[in-house]
Order: sequence, then structure tokens, then C-alpha cells
Amino acid sequence: ILNVEQSPQSLHVQEGDSTNFTCSFPSSNFYALHWYRWETAKSPEALFVMTLNGDEKKKGRISATLNTKEGYSYLYIKGSQPEDSATYLCASDTGFQKLVFGTGTRLLVSP
Amino acid sequence: SAVISQKPSRDICQRGTSLTIQCQVDSQVTMMFWYRQQPGQSLTLIATANQGSEATYESGFVIDKFPISRPNLTFSTLTVSNMSPEDSSIYLCSVELGSANYGYTFGSGTRLTVV
Repeated sequence: ILNVEQSPQSLHVQEGDSTNFTCSFPSSNFYALHWYRWETAKSPEALFVMTLNGDEKKKGRISATLNTKEGYSYLYIKGSQPEDSATYLCASDTGFQKLVFGTGTRLLVSP
Repeated sequence: SAVISQKPSRDICQRGTSLTIQCQVDSQVTMMFWYRQQPGQSLTLIATANQGSEATYESGFVIDKFPISRPNLTFSTLTVSNMSPEDSSIYLCSVELGSANYGYTFGSGTRLTVV
């Protein structure tokens, strides 16, 4: 059974701060690692799907890195804004269209 | 990318009753996925629904409790049967965004409270 861990559980930063969260996952049977942003009362939104060891992806102020050998991924937000406030989910994908999610990191950015 | 309309967005139900959640996709998709997030827990896959065949349930989930219909390639329903307070959760449907390498798109969720 896969076990995906995310840390920290929650984070409160000031506008303009840069921040990062961690997702750890079993490195065996790895196919892809997904990151989603989930704002309250909205749909989870796909941020990144990463497949290769050493992958680094960027979307605006948000970027992510992947280490499949040791089983972790980092999500970075540069210059956090209040609209970045959301829960950030990572999910491990073994290639059988079944995602195993972590419990998420809840980010609050204060003006 | 696909857009999913999910309803109801929230409901408060009496224990022992059933609730049916609907998801309508704006394009044809082969597989639809149903997830649950209990309070403080991770999003967990309930079942995968293919059109024209019975849904495939994950360990810990059974058809009698969570019957699923998939009458065509754009629509699916999940019923939460004989509800108890432990069924209070957010329920989400999901489809692939073109291919798994692009991720998945989700409905906006159904927040269910069982009293």
C-alpha cells in the first residue's frame, strides 16, 4: 500500500514571502508525481505532472522538483500572494490510473 | 481540457437515507473516477467507472454501499447508501486531462454532512 506524506500540514506566511513544501512517496513502482492546488469550494486544479528523476517544472511563481530515487518532491512558491492561499496536494501515480494522495499542505498567505 | 459539472454542491442528510451525486462532463471520456475525502484525511479513490461495464471498486469500498452508474460517456452518478455520520465527507468525480501526463480534472465536489 502506497503512503504519501506531505509536510508541513499547514503554513501561514506573509505576502511576499517565499515558501516550500515537501511530498514524500514510495520510490518503488513509480510512474508519475502530481501536484494540485485546491481552493475552498472549488475544484482541485492540476499544477504539475512530473515523471523523470531530476525533473523541474515551473508555472509562474510556482515551481516543483522531483527526486524519484529517494522518493520526494518539493513545491516552491516565490513571493507568495494572498491568492496563493489554498491546500496543495501531491499524489503518487503508479501508472494504473490510480492516484494516491497525501493529506495536503494548507497554505495561508496574509496581506 | 474537460469541464465537469457536479451536483449537489452540498447536502445535509439524515442517517439511513441515500444521496445520489451526479457528474456531467462536457466531452466524452472513457473512465471516470470517484473520490472521497473524510475530515482530516487524504483524497481516496472509491471506484473507477467505465461506460458499459460495472465499476471497479478499491479495497474497502463495496457496490452495495456506493453504487455507481455510467450510462454514457459523459455522465456518471455515485450513490451513498444507508448513510451514517462516518459518510460525512467531500465527494469528487474526476477524469483525465487528455492523458495522465497532463493530470486529471475534478468536479467542484459535494460536501455531505450526515446527521
